[in-house]
Amino acid sequence: AQKITQTQPGMFVQEKEAVTLDCTYDTSDPSYGLFWYKQPSSGEMIFLIYQGSYDQQNATEGRYSLNFQKARKSANLVISASQLGDSAMYFCAMREENYNQGGKLIFGQGTELSVKP
Amino acid sequence: NAGVTQTPKFRILKIGQSMTLQCTQDMNHNYMYWYRQDPGMGLKLIYYSVGAGITDKGEVPNGYNVSRSTTEDFPLRLELAAPSQTSVYFCASSYLLAGRNNEQFFGPGTRLTVL
Repeated sequence: AQKITQTQPGMFVQEKEAVTLDCTYDTSDPSYGLFWYKQPSSGEMIFLIYQGSYDQQNATEGRYSLNFQKARKSANLVISASQLGDSAMYFCAMREENYNQGGKLIFGQGTELSVKP
Repeated sequence: NAGVTQTPKFRILKIGQSMTLQCTQDMNHNYMYWYRQDPGMGLKLIYYSVGAGITDKGEVPNGYNVSRSTTEDFPLRLELAAPSQTSVYFCASSYLLAGRNNEQFFGPGTRLTVL
């Protein structure tokens, strides 16, 4: 069964330091995508980064990188040089990428990140 | 491009009332989705559509109905509202269902309270 697990309900990080948010997943489909979304207190869902199951290299988008360990089924988000504006809820999500699944996302429960000045 | 728009932003319903949450996207996306987010939780899929005229149930479809008569619109209907449907509802769309640059774009959400 498809499942996403985020084991850190809340995290604190000092401004300008790096932080890692954990995500593990479970799927039997060989073709899948992993996503991270940011949800600030205003409530909107902001796409951050994508990793495909067949990608050979870890995805990077500016200060965001995804530490993809396929054998361990983990897809941790690394935020470098944290900023106050990074304080938000972060969701890991998975999409099994075959037509029968319709592209739907399965979400974890989220990690609330607080950046301290 | 307005992206994905949702109306209304907020709504309070009485138990037993009905309403329709509107969702429109102007990106010519084939795939559209409705999720709900309960307090402190991740999003759960209610219904989705892979194209006009085609819809399917997600993880939590009970108490809801959808239709997709056009590519742009994907309304969600609540019949006989119950307190358990108090949630934030997000509509999302994507062009394809796989691959890079085919992430789901989300609307701003509708905050619904059923009293």
